[in-house]
Amino acid sequence: GAGVSQSPSNKVTEKGKDVELRCDPISGHTALYWYRQSLGQGLEFLIYFQGNSAPDKSGLPSDRFSAERTGGSVSTLTIQRTQQEDSAVYLCASSFLIFSGLAGFQETQYFGPGTRLLVL
Amino acid sequence: DQQVKQNSPSLSVQEGRISILNCDYTNSMFDYFLWYKKYPAEGPTFLISISSIKDKNEDGRFTVFLNKSAKHLSLHIVPSQPGDSAVYFCAASARSIGNQFYFGTGTSLTVIP
Repeated sequence: GAGVSQSPSNKVTEKGKDVELRCDPISGHTALYWYRQSLGQGLEFLIYFQGNSAPDKSGLPSDRFSAERTGGSVSTLTIQRTQQEDSAVYLCASSFLIFSGLAGFQETQYFGPGTRLLVL
Repeated sequence: DQQVKQNSPSLSVQEGRISILNCDYTNSMFDYFLWYKKYPAEGPTFLISISSIKDKNEDGRFTVFLNKSAKHLSLHIVPSQPGDSAVYFCAASARSIGNQFYFGTGTSLTVIP
């Protein structure tokens, strides 16, 4: 079946402009994450959506960053007034929980290919 | 503050030999650990996971070992194949403290034919 897709795959923008990044999760996955990976760094958590619950926005680095998930499916990450330090690969992942007996609920995230954002 | 650390940025191994990738964590609340593999220009793909109730999980050529007392996990790949050349990330989570998965900075594995 189809995996997680993200668009655009690459985005070059000028400092101060707004950008929107899109994520289409795997159908049926209730959870959706946004991460970013800056050069030489690990994946940095940004935001988490689970079903109809309020999103966990604890990873958003500033109020210039926002995200929404419409109808429990597609998500859009918006960065306003972009800065050069926003340049990174933005990764989206979706997941579902599996009950594994004694191990409890296990979760595996399936990642999209990412959007490479370059702010000039 | 990096709660999951991969101290070796790169590793080179001969084809057929064992690859051992290491990961350390600081938060004793973590109870679920995963390894992801990432090729250039692609998103990470899930490889193997382990719950804190186990100390070993095996899937084909891949085995993950968890040492809770040392807060250390490792991924063993044996025998290593050239197609295993990629960046490997370890990740950890604990539902009791939030929804985040914490990722290491990755280890780039090169398997030499």
